[in-house]
Amino acid sequence: SQTIHQWPATLVQPVGSPLSLECTVEGTSNPNLYWYRQAAGRGLQLLFYSVGIGQISSEVPQNLSASRPQDRQFILSSKKLLLSDSGFYLCAWSAPGGHETQYFGPGTRLLVL
Amino acid sequence: EDQVTQSPEALRLQEGESSSLNCSYTVSGLRGLFWYRQDPGKGPEFLFTLYSAGEEKEKERLKATLTKKESFLHITAPKPEDSATYLCAVQATGRRALTFGSGTRLQVQP
Repeated sequence: SQTIHQWPATLVQPVGSPLSLECTVEGTSNPNLYWYRQAAGRGLQLLFYSVGIGQISSEVPQNLSASRPQDRQFILSSKKLLLSDSGFYLCAWSAPGGHETQYFGPGTRLLVL
Repeated sequence: EDQVTQSPEALRLQEGESSSLNCSYTVSGLRGLFWYRQDPGKGPEFLFTLYSAGEEKEKERLKATLTKKESFLHITAPKPEDSATYLCAVQATGRRALTFGSGTRLQVQP
């Protein structure tokens, strides 16, 4: 069966510091990968998705970037964090090819102070 | 622009008291409608995918239905462990992104 991991689970960072969040998927090959952000009391918003190694699409302009260095690894980064980057970051995967159901990881809680 | 509205925002039920959660949507062309359950501090857990009007799916005490404009999540004889936030999302034809509603917070009291 497939498993999705995210780390760290919680992160407190000062404004202006860099960020690196990691997501890995087990039990599947060539998955579609997604980064979402969930702000308090609001719906999830898609930030980035990837259909393969090195292929990244951005949904919204922002202070963040994403990379996919390996088939089942997805990284969310920032060079300088803003207060507005605080939130709950969720990684998800879906089967390759079509627009299949997305399955979410446990999430990373980021607080920027 | 795709939109999803969930109601009510919060719902408190007694154990065994059945009810329904509503998800109204507007989308250019529906690829799929998804229901997820989210516990505090956790990632959403997949429940159902519905693809066309008239479709129904069931899992334990939950039943999801779909029309051309809305979906309902029916909860029959709920238990305290059903307490969670239930999220509805739509995916438009040709789009990768899911558009989520803000969720319904369900509390089931023993």
